[in-house]
Amino acid sequence: EDQVTQSPEALRLQEGESSSLNCSYTVSGLRGLFWYRQDPGKGPEFLFTLYSAGEEKEKERLKATLTKKESFLHITAPKPEDSATYLCALSEAGGFKTIFGAGTRLFVKA
Amino acid sequence: GAGVSQSPSNKVTEKGKDVELRCDPISGHTALYWYRQSLGQGLEFLIYFQGNSAPDKSGLPSDRFSAERTGGSVSTLTIQRTQQEDSAVYLCASTRDGVPSPLHFGNGTRLTVT
Repeated sequence: EDQVTQSPEALRLQEGESSSLNCSYTVSGLRGLFWYRQDPGKGPEFLFTLYSAGEEKEKERLKATLTKKESFLHITAPKPEDSATYLCALSEAGGFKTIFGAGTRLFVKA
Repeated sequence: GAGVSQSPSNKVTEKGKDVELRCDPISGHTALYWYRQSLGQGLEFLIYFQGNSAPDKSGLPSDRFSAERTGGSVSTLTIQRTQQEDSAVYLCASTRDGVPSPLHFGNGTRLTVT
């Protein structure tokens, strides 16, 4: 069965303290690995799609990477406005649904 | 519209009552999804529509849950005889073509069953 596991559950950083969020997955055939950001009271907002191992994508202070078993979301010099829940998700080849992990709650203190 | 619209944003109901949740997807998006997010939990897939058809309803938690989509646009999720465990945020998302296109989410309906 397809599975997405995110760690840590919560992460507290000081402003400017770089770190990484982990997403481990098992899937029979990966069609896409997604990262979303979710703010309180809002729906998830799309950040990145990664399709194959070795692929990397960047947006401002965020960089997503993908291996055959894991994806990382690297946050460089975070700011308080980066505080949110970050969700990892995947879609399986031949499937129609996107499966989500439980998320990592990120808190960045000024 | 500019984004996925869901209504109501909040709903408080008594146990045993029926509720209807509405989703208005982005114009032109053929695929529509319903998810449920309980406190501190990930998103639980409920149902997927391609046009007006739902190829797989296996994610619906029980036969008290049903959903329909009309005109390839608006969708309604109905929960009959609500139970306290139904309390959650119900999220709707749409995409132009289905996976692996990114999902565009509404802000959800927060359902509280008392």
